[in-house]
Amino acid sequence: ETGVTQSPTHLIKTRGQQVTLRCSSQSGHNTVSWYQQALGQGPQFIFQYYREEENGRGNFPPRFSGLQFPNYSSELNVNALELDDSALYLCASTTGGSVDTQYFGPGTRLTVL
Amino acid sequence: KQEVTQIPAALSVPEGENLVLNCSFTDSAIYNLQWFRQDPGKGLTSLLLIQSSQREQTSGRLNASLDKSSGRSTLYIAASQPGDSATYLCAPQNSGYSTLTFGKGTMLLVSP
Repeated sequence: ETGVTQSPTHLIKTRGQQVTLRCSSQSGHNTVSWYQQALGQGPQFIFQYYREEENGRGNFPPRFSGLQFPNYSSELNVNALELDDSALYLCASTTGGSVDTQYFGPGTRLTVL
Repeated sequence: KQEVTQIPAALSVPEGENLVLNCSFTDSAIYNLQWFRQDPGKGLTSLLLIQSSQREQTSGRLNASLDKSSGRSTLYIAASQPGDSATYLCAPQNSGYSTLTFGKGTMLLVSP
């Protein structure tokens, strides 16, 4: 196991609602990245936080937002949920160096009805 | 924009075979490349990380090679076992802020 935890494990929402997903990074890691993985696809980068600041963003609309806290845990918030937001959401933590392994959590399965 | 292709998309083999999974990427200016394993509906488990200056990395029955100039990496699995059944993903890292670009993966099934 990696030490990266995510909650909740599963979540069902209806279209138009808002959702918050949580990630606790591995001890000593100050960088957290979030990825969306649709069924049958590879993970797609959403954004990254480094020491509580957004440090990069993929091709996702502003209704995807995030936070990182002083203990380096993180939240992913999605507003105005759409059916296509149904996916496995993964967070990954690392020490932030370009040569470091990224460690992934088990993911949160979001279903939007 | 980095694009990653993995071939084959799916592979089914009997136990004991040696396997080669292929990964190609379009932008060779990478910092490193990671290989991951993903069991159905689960998170990703890191298998190997190859730095851009390295040619290969080994861990147990796994060996990954990297040819940065040609934009290719291979994952070699020796003496495959049913427990190796999973989807294997490769992910090069281009930027200094640690984001990964993934292919769609190779789904491997090893039968007893």
